[in-house]
Amino acid sequence: SQKIEQNSEALNIQEGKTATLTCNYTNYSPAYLQWYRQDPGRGPVFLLLIRENEKEKRKERLKVTFDTTLKQSLFHITASQPADSATYLCALDRISSGSARQLTFGSGTQLTVLP
Amino acid sequence: DAGVTQSPTHLIKTRGQHVTLRCSPISGHKSVSWYQQVLGQGPQFIFQYYEKEERGRGNFPDRFSARQFPNYSSELNVNALLLGDSALYLCASSPGTGVGNQPQHFGDGTRLSIL
Repeated sequence: SQKIEQNSEALNIQEGKTATLTCNYTNYSPAYLQWYRQDPGRGPVFLLLIRENEKEKRKERLKVTFDTTLKQSLFHITASQPADSATYLCALDRISSGSARQLTFGSGTQLTVLP
Repeated sequence: DAGVTQSPTHLIKTRGQHVTLRCSPISGHKSVSWYQQVLGQGPQFIFQYYEKEERGRGNFPDRFSARQFPNYSSELNVNALLLGDSALYLCASSPGTGVGNQPQHFGDGTRLSIL
């Protein structure tokens, strides 16, 4: 069956360090992969989208890699700040029943940046 | 511009009742998707609607139904509520028919509690 794993349910790092979050998937061949941030009691907020033919994407302090051979995406936050503390979700594009496309989310990694 | 708005923000129901949740997408967005998020898990896809037609359905029973109106707002209906339906229900909108290839703009959800 298709599966998405975001290893490390919780990750604590020191302010200023680089946080690296992992998203692994099996039995998928997604055309796109997205990363979202979710704060407690709020809806997810879109951060970055990467296509299957892109190896890397950057936006300010954020960087995403997408390795379709390893079936893995890495999400990096450089120079992390306490305000980066949140749950980070990866989401994969796949074809659902009826040939429609849908987003399938991992369970998220809770990041805490310690001052 | 207003983001995705959902109502109500919180709702308490008892088993066997039915519930209607509402969503207004970002102005100009024609696609609305519904997700269920159980505590500690990522959002799980329920439906996608585009131009008032169902474009995708996740693995949810027929007790779940939805529709989209001419102004692109949407309703999610759940009948014969079960305790397991307790969750955060999220609505997301995007401009076009695609899901995986477009950022999804989420509302802050309706917290549904079943007693």
